[in-house]
Amino acid sequence: GNSVTQMEGPVTLSEEAFLTINCTYTATGYPSLFWYVQYPGEGLQLLLKATKADDKGSNKGFEATYRKETTSFHLEKGSVQVSDSAVYFCAVNSGGSNYKLTFGKGTLLTVNP
Amino acid sequence: GAVVSQHPSWVICKSGTSVKIECRSLDFQATTMFWYRQFPKQSLMLMATSNEGSKATYEQGVEKDKFLINHASLTLSTLTVTSAHPEDSSFYICSASGGAAGNEQFFGPGTRLTVL
Repeated sequence: GNSVTQMEGPVTLSEEAFLTINCTYTATGYPSLFWYVQYPGEGLQLLLKATKADDKGSNKGFEATYRKETTSFHLEKGSVQVSDSAVYFCAVNSGGSNYKLTFGKGTLLTVNP
Repeated sequence: GAVVSQHPSWVICKSGTSVKIECRSLDFQATTMFWYRQFPKQSLMLMATSNEGSKATYEQGVEKDKFLINHASLTLSTLTVTSAHPEDSSFYICSASGGAAGNEQFFGPGTRLTVL
């Protein structure tokens, strides 16, 4: 089955620092890749996604590029803010009509002022 | 975006009792709902997928008689943990998709279950 390996946290950064959270996956077929964010006390929200190789997903200053050759989908942001403090989950689905998601363990990001 | 709620947000129960958790899509009709379980510092593990009006499809290793799932309407799915034991203590999260939400899954805030 599918699997996701995600950089373990916690990650602590100062405001305006550069962020990278690594994510690699194994999957069959033509999966789509996702990053979800969970703010304290809230449900998971879709942050960005990419549906095919070389696609770049972006939202709220975050970016991730679907790299099929390295089976990676690393999350980056050039300048983090305190409000970005949350848990970030990388996920992969099986593609096609099967929308089951397989998640990484999540990475807790804390941004200090 | 589409909103999914869960109730209760947390529950404490005695060993041997049953607990029901509700998942509601508030502003769209969810043809499919998913139930996940999350242990501390672990991934979300898919337990089952339910489609409105039909029986849930359980993932391998999930006891269907232990975790009863009902998806009786397009806005409500319930998970009942029967004869709960301390090892069932966990964070349970639902998600919903379909209708105006399309194939994207929208997640509820989760329910913390503690079995004494």
